[in-house]
Amino acid sequence: AQSVTQLGSHVSVSEGALVLLRCNYSSSVPPYLFWYVQYPNQGLQLLLKYTSAATLVKGINGFEAEFKKSETSFHLTKPSAHMSDAAEYFCAVSDLGGNKLVFGAGTILRVKS
Amino acid sequence: DAGVTQSPTHLIKTRGQQVTLRCSPKSGHDTVSWYQQALGQGPQFIFQYYEEEERQRGNFPDRFSGHQFPNYSSELNVNALLLGDSALYLCASRPGQNMKTQYFGPGTRLLVL
Repeated sequence: AQSVTQLGSHVSVSEGALVLLRCNYSSSVPPYLFWYVQYPNQGLQLLLKYTSAATLVKGINGFEAEFKKSETSFHLTKPSAHMSDAAEYFCAVSDLGGNKLVFGAGTILRVKS
Repeated sequence: DAGVTQSPTHLIKTRGQQVTLRCSPKSGHDTVSWYQQALGQGPQFIFQYYEEEERQRGNFPDRFSGHQFPNYSSELNVNALLLGDSALYLCASRPGQNMKTQYFGPGTRLLVL
């Protein structure tokens, strides 16, 4: 069975500081990994995805993530936080068929001015 | 190009009632999945529809059922509502069975009293 663990339910950074949101996964098959963002009272928006190509994946809004097989990690980073980045972020892994996404519990990012 | 749309946006029901939620996939998408997101948690996979058939199901009771129409739109039905069914219900679509990326709608927030 696949699973995702997001370390830290809440992360707080200052505007302009580095954003690091942690995600570790468990999968018995090569995983497909995703980061989604959810703004208050909205659905999920895809930030980026890893589908076995380049291990460093660049997404929208300046975010990127690095797939590290040896560490079973897919941490999300952004060099400089902006107030508009405040939201909840979800890491997800999908099965081989891509039919089912398994999500972590989410990390709420707070950006301080 | 409209994205994934869902209706209604909000719904209030009482225990024991039945509810139907609707989803129209993004243009060009033929595969629809439903997820339940309880407050403070990540989304949980309910089931997926392709070619008007349920292709995969998550760990949800038979009270949760669905349907997909020839135009690829979908319905989620929940019978005998429980207080614990209160959640945000998200619909996601993708263009075909081999595509891994799912695109989410804004969700329907269901409150069961």
